[in-house]
Amino acid sequence: QSALTQPASVSGSPGQSITISCTGTSSDVGGYNYVSWYQQHPGKAPKLMIYEVSNRPSGVSNRFSGSKSGNTASLTISGLQAEDEADYYCSSYTSSSTPSVVFGGGTKLTVL
Amino acid sequence: QVQLVQSGAEVKKPGASVKVSCKASGYTFTSYGISWVRQAPGQGLEWMGWISAYNGNTNYAQKLQGRVTMTTDTSTSTAYMELRSLRSDDTAVYYCARARLVLRAGHFDYWGQGTLVTVSS
Repeated sequence: QSALTQPASVSGSPGQSITISCTGTSSDVGGYNYVSWYQQHPGKAPKLMIYEVSNRPSGVSNRFSGSKSGNTASLTISGLQAEDEADYYCSSYTSSSTPSVVFGGGTKLTVL
Repeated sequence: QVQLVQSGAEVKKPGASVKVSCKASGYTFTSYGISWVRQAPGQGLEWMGWISAYNGNTNYAQKLQGRVTMTTDTSTSTAYMELRSLRSDDTAVYYCARARLVLRAGHFDYWGQGTLVTVSS
């Protein structure tokens, strides 16, 4: 299965908002409400930030929000903080060929 | 608190096999699944497969079919991932992550610390 498409990098200043897109197909992002987002700091394991398109796990800041329109999901981070600088990955269940999970290529967020 | 503790780093020669363990604690092991995700140096995340800790059902990534086997030992709340016929491009950090009992749900809420597997002659 092909990876979901994310921008390689995004940046923003402290206090600003940024949005990271994640584009798939009708067999994954567009076909199911099972899109997740993960944050990964260097040398650390990924951390779940959003699941099922727009749900936040307990303990995740409400500055993080998710949405979906058609085959594209989005992660928005408002009130950017220095500690938000990390890599972000989207993922989705996919029914293409065999049932599986597919990740996006990742987006490096830089807080200027 | 939920914890997934993985086995230590491994160095293997091309063609060999590796078996990584993932010991779970802090929750009812058989009420969840386990997925395995790997990350090659400087690269993104790659989903490898999923196993139900309830009944042992598995789903593997198509590109790894035939080389990977995932198992669980419910008596010790431990999941295992074995990868055979190792190649240099299997060099990566391997993560286990807690998943739902239904693969479709697709999200992973707790992760192990990662196990570096290096394949080199």
